[in-house]
Amino acid sequence: EIVVTQSPATLSVSPGERATLSCRTSQSVDTNLAWYQQKRGQSPRLLVYGASTRATGIPARFSGSGSGTEFTLTINSLLPEDSAVYYCHQYEDCPPYIFGQGTKLEIK
Amino acid sequence: EVQLVESGGGLAQPGGSLRLSCVGSGFTFNKHSMNWLRQTPGKGLEWLSYISHAGTDMRYADSVRGRFTISRDDAQNSLYLQMNSLRAEDTGLYYCARDEGFCTGGRCYRWKDLWGQGTLVTVSS
Repeated sequence: EIVVTQSPATLSVSPGERATLSCRTSQSVDTNLAWYQQKRGQSPRLLVYGASTRATGIPARFSGSGSGTEFTLTINSLLPEDSAVYYCHQYEDCPPYIFGQGTKLEIK
Repeated sequence: EVQLVESGGGLAQPGGSLRLSCVGSGFTFNKHSMNWLRQTPGKGLEWLSYISHAGTDMRYADSVRGRFTISRDDAQNSLYLQMNSLRAEDTGLYYCARDEGFCTGGRCYRWKDLWGQGTLVTVSS
């Protein structure tokens, strides 16, 4: 079973700046990785799939990159509403579908 | 509006049963495989079960295999999760989620592109 590890656990960034979130898998998943945003009290929302393809309606401020075992979600020009927990999810070796433990992004 | 709406959560005693439902609208339900997942403070997001778009292939996480059963009724645009032999550790917020993806080389790659709002299950005496 592939292990998915996200870092950091918590990230605090000022509005207008850039946030960089990392996701690492224990073995290669090619580009079969998705990112989700979960705001407080809401269900997860798909941001990126295929490691770098933005889902419908997702602003260009959100970008995903990486392949193999190392992936990054970059959020540019941070807004207060970007405060959320962000999860990565590998779908290379499935099922079971494995999610990372999440990165909590705080906007100062 | 494209959405999934779960229901059926509530309080159950250890060893008891609950049946969760999820109704899809705004899209062609029978074209998508579907999943149940749950979220708990201790284990985060945990995938529980998958059912193919045709309803012929079902998969389960080790934690629920033999206790939970997934099913679907495409005439009702509905997904179900029958939960038996409930345990305290089954407490959590349960989501249904739609699959999107592709198949190639005999393998399929699916991400969860639409989630319901969740239904809360509490297992306690």
